[in-house]
Order: sequence, then structure tokens, then C-alpha cells
Amino acid sequence: QKEVEQDPGPLSVPEGAIVSLNCTYSNSAFQYFMWYRQYSRKGPELLMYTYSSGNKEDGRFTAQVDKSSKYISLFIRDSQPSDSATYLCAMSAMDSNYQLIWGAGTKLIIKP
Amino acid sequence: NAGVTQTPKFQVLKTGQSMTLQCAQDMNHEYMSWYRQDPGMGLRLIHYSVGAGITDQGEVPNGYNVSRSTTEDFPLRLLSAAPSQTSVYFCASSRSIVYNEQFFGPGTRLTVL
Repeated sequence: QKEVEQDPGPLSVPEGAIVSLNCTYSNSAFQYFMWYRQYSRKGPELLMYTYSSGNKEDGRFTAQVDKSSKYISLFIRDSQPSDSATYLCAMSAMDSNYQLIWGAGTKLIIKP
Repeated sequence: NAGVTQTPKFQVLKTGQSMTLQCAQDMNHEYMSWYRQDPGMGLRLIHYSVGAGITDQGEVPNGYNVSRSTTEDFPLRLLSAAPSQTSVYFCASSRSIVYNEQFFGPGTRLTVL
């Protein structure tokens, strides 16, 4: 079993829809949770960063962490075709030297 | 600032050949790392460095060597290429190992025949 599980998709939704992307994990020591966005043939770029549990909002993006369920989510409101990309979750813990453990990524397609 | 640069963008090798993938950053970052990305596998850490002269192995180090003689450069050497090393390779850097925002280069697409 992988430490971090993420549905690879693709997830196809119409423009303007609310998108929900999710990751589950097994290591309860994870404290830092990140979402990276990767456009086709580009390197990943950090989108959202959360420490421990709770919500964080940045414009149309909201990141949620539920440590009791070992589950993190990224919500995208008013989705745009420019949001079409692969979204990777990543997480780290102090006791594993802060090395990032990555999900496999979910491919998101926003249809105009 | 150029950020993180990688060369070459594409490379085709024959089994048994060696080569070096170049990575450089101009942000004065302490931490640099190499990942490979394969379909369905996510990013897997090959080697990393927390500063000039200091390197360590990641999750999948076999068949790869690194060195870090300067803060800016972190080359990855394939010693004797194998088809299993066909992948997309990303170099990344961040201010420190604790600081989780990593900046990625554009990647090198490597095919080993």
C-alpha cells in the first residue's frame, strides 16, 4: 500500500463547476500538507500549503486537512479551462526529515 | 532570476551509456533534489543535498550519482543507463529542507533504448 493515495482521474467537469480533489494517507506523523499544480510538460508549482489540520483559502482555492480521517482535499470554485492540469498532493513529517511524499496526481480537465 | 534550469530538455541514450543531467539554481537555495516522474507513480526522490558538499540518498538512488561542489549546481549522473531509467527527471530547490515550497525545473525527458 502506498503511503499517499490519489485517484489518477482524469476528472472532467464543465467550466464554472466546483472541483473536489482528494488524497488519503497512512502515516499519522505527517504535519505539512501541500498541493502542487503541474501543467503538461512543465515542472510542478506550489499551489497551497497547510500545516496540521484545518482549512486554508486563497482566492478560488480551498485546502482542507482532516488528520483524524487522514484525508486532505483541494476545492476549486468557479473552475476555468486554465485550471486544467495535474494536481499532486504532497506531505511531510519532522520525523522523516521533512522529505516530501507525493501522491501520483489527479489529471483535471475543465471543459469550456 | 532564471529560477531552476535543467539541461538537456530531451535525451535518448543506448543501454550502457553514461550521461550527466545538469541542474542549476540562482536563488541561493540550500536544499536541492532530483526526482523522477513515471506514469502512475508520482514523484520519487533520487538524491538530495542540504548544502554544498553534502548529499544523501532518496527513495530510488540505485544507478545514479550526485555531487554538490557549489550552492548553485547539482548534477545527476547516470552511470550505465538501463531501459528502466526511461523517465522524466526533475530538479528542485528550496530555501531549506524544512521549507516545503520547492521550485522545480522544466524537466529532462530521458529515453533509454
